[in-house]
Amino acid sequence: SQTIHQWPATLVQPVGSPLSLECTVEGTSNPNLYWYRQAAGRGLQLLFYSVGIGQISSEVPQNLSASRPQDRQFILSSKKLLLSDSGFYLCAWSVVAGDYGYTFGSGTRLTVV
Amino acid sequence: TQLLEQSPQFLSIQEGENLTVYCNSSSVFSSLQWYRQEPGEGPVLLVTVVTGGEVKKLKRLTFQFGDARKDSSLHITAAQPGDTGLYLCAGRSNTGKLIFGQGTTLQVKP
Repeated sequence: SQTIHQWPATLVQPVGSPLSLECTVEGTSNPNLYWYRQAAGRGLQLLFYSVGIGQISSEVPQNLSASRPQDRQFILSSKKLLLSDSGFYLCAWSVVAGDYGYTFGSGTRLTVV
Repeated sequence: TQLLEQSPQFLSIQEGENLTVYCNSSSVFSSLQWYRQEPGEGPVLLVTVVTGGEVKKLKRLTFQFGDARKDSSLHITAAQPGDTGLYLCAGRSNTGKLIFGQGTTLQVKP
């Protein structure tokens, strides 16, 4: 069966520090991968998506970047965090084609202080 | 830009009551999905509807896709405290990506 792992679960970082959130998928090959950010109790904003190794599309201009060094690994990074980067970050994967849903990781609560 | 609007944003009801959550757009979606999310967790897919007018049932939950594929509803019969959570609708856009609504927070009091 397919599983998705996302870590860490919570993170408190000072302003100006770097960030690296990692997401890995098991049990599938060549998935579409996504990074979302969610405001408290609200909908999801798509940040990045990837259809293959090294292929990253950015949805909104921001202080963050993403990379996909391996087929089932997706990394969200920042060189210098801002207060506004605080939020709940979710990684998700889906099959390439068809009306299948997204499978989400358990999320990372990031607080920038 | 394709947008999905959910209503109501918040809903607090007593156990045993019925409720309906709406998801509306001026745009057509090829499919629409409903997710449920608990605090501190990722959303979990409940259902996907594809055909205009389609109705799907999942125990006490009934999902309907509008005939024109621009809207959807989620109806819960005899709500239970375990139904508490954030309900999100998401439509597959003409670019293939999922667009999420802003969510409906449901609280069911025992």
